[in-house]
This record gives sequence, structure tokens and C-alpha cells, in this order.
Amino acid sequence: GNSVTQMEGPVTLSEEAFLTINCTYTATGYPSLFWYVQYPGEGLQLLLKATKADDKGSNKGFEATYRKETTSFHLEKGSVQVSDSAVYFCALRRAFSGNTPLVFGKGTRLSVIA
Amino acid sequence: SQTIHQWPATLVQPVGSPLSLECTVEGTSNPNLYWYRQAAGRGLQLLFYSVGIGQISSEVPQNLSASRPQDRQFILSSKKLLLSDSGFYLCAWSVQGTRLTGELFFGEGSRLTVL
Repeated sequence: GNSVTQMEGPVTLSEEAFLTINCTYTATGYPSLFWYVQYPGEGLQLLLKATKADDKGSNKGFEATYRKETTSFHLEKGSVQVSDSAVYFCALRRAFSGNTPLVFGKGTRLSVIA
Repeated sequence: SQTIHQWPATLVQPVGSPLSLECTVEGTSNPNLYWYRQAAGRGLQLLFYSVGIGQISSEVPQNLSASRPQDRQFILSSKKLLLSDSGFYLCAWSVQGTRLTGELFFGEGSRLTVL
């Protein structure tokens, strides 16, 4: 079946530190991959996405590259800010299956301290 | 533009009482609709999804139910709440179709505390 595994949190970093949140997936076919972010007390927002191998999604200084050979989609940011403190979810959806729900990882809580 | 709203935002209910959470989408037609629950330490769990009026798929058997009485309305209900029903409930929608990457758009969430 389809599944997503994220690194366990919480992750605590100092401001301007480098961030990596690991995500690996198991899926049949060629899924689309997503990173969602949830700020305190809010719903989830799409952060970035990639739809095929070697695609790089990027937004707000965050990046993730779709690596088919390692079935990974790690989230990175070169210099985190306090405002990046949130829960980050990796997710996948099987390609060309618009009616199939997204499969989410368990989420990784990031706390950035000044 | 499309918007999604869910209410109430916060709810405190006694064990055994009924529940009704409502979600509406505006600015689009025939969306896929979803209910997720986020419980402490358990990530995001899909509860129900719907591809059309009256069509509900249940992912996790439990004492919750969902209904879609109108194209853009999705309701989560329970006849008798349990303590374990406490959590943050999220409604979401996506565009119908098979040639899309399937981005989800989430509502603001409803926090339910069962005492």
C-alpha cells in the first residue's frame, strides 16, 4: 500500500540554523508528493509539491526534491526563522487519481528559538 | 476564488452527547470533500471522504458518521461522543478529476474536547 514515513519530532533549532526533515515513501506507480505546514491553531496549508522524479518543489525558502531512486522527499531550508515554527507533514497521492485521498505522514513539529 | 469554512471552531461536549460539525466550500462545483482528525501524537487520520452528493467512503470504523446533503456541504456527526473523540477536526476539499496532482485545501479546523 501507500505510506509515508517522517522523522520523529520535535525538532528544535536556533534561528538561522539549517533544517532537514526527512520523508520517505512507499507507493505503487509514480505518486505526487507534497509538504504541508500547520501553524499553531490553524488548518494545513500546502507548502510545496513535486509531481515527477527529480522535480524540485520550492516555496518560502523551503525546498524538497523528488528522489525516486531513494523514494524520498526531504524538506530543507538553509536558514530557519522563528516564524517557521510549525508542524510539517509529508504526503503523497497516487498519480492521476484525483479522487484518492492524500496519505499523510505523522507530522514533525519544528520549534525555532531566537 | 474558492473558500472553505468549517464550524464551530471550538467545542466542549460531555461524553455521550451528540456532535455535528459542518463544512462548506464556495467558489467551486463538485469538489471531493474530506474529514481528517488530528489527535495528539497520532498525526493526521483520514476519517471520511466523498466524491459526490450522498457518496461517503469511511476509512476508519468508529462512532462517527458523515453526510453530504448538498454538493458543497459536508457534515461530521456522532450520536454519542466518547472521550477518545477529542481532537482537531479538519475539513478539506480537492478538485475532481483524474489528471490532477491532487492538492488539498483545508479549513481552519474545529477543536473538540470531550469531557
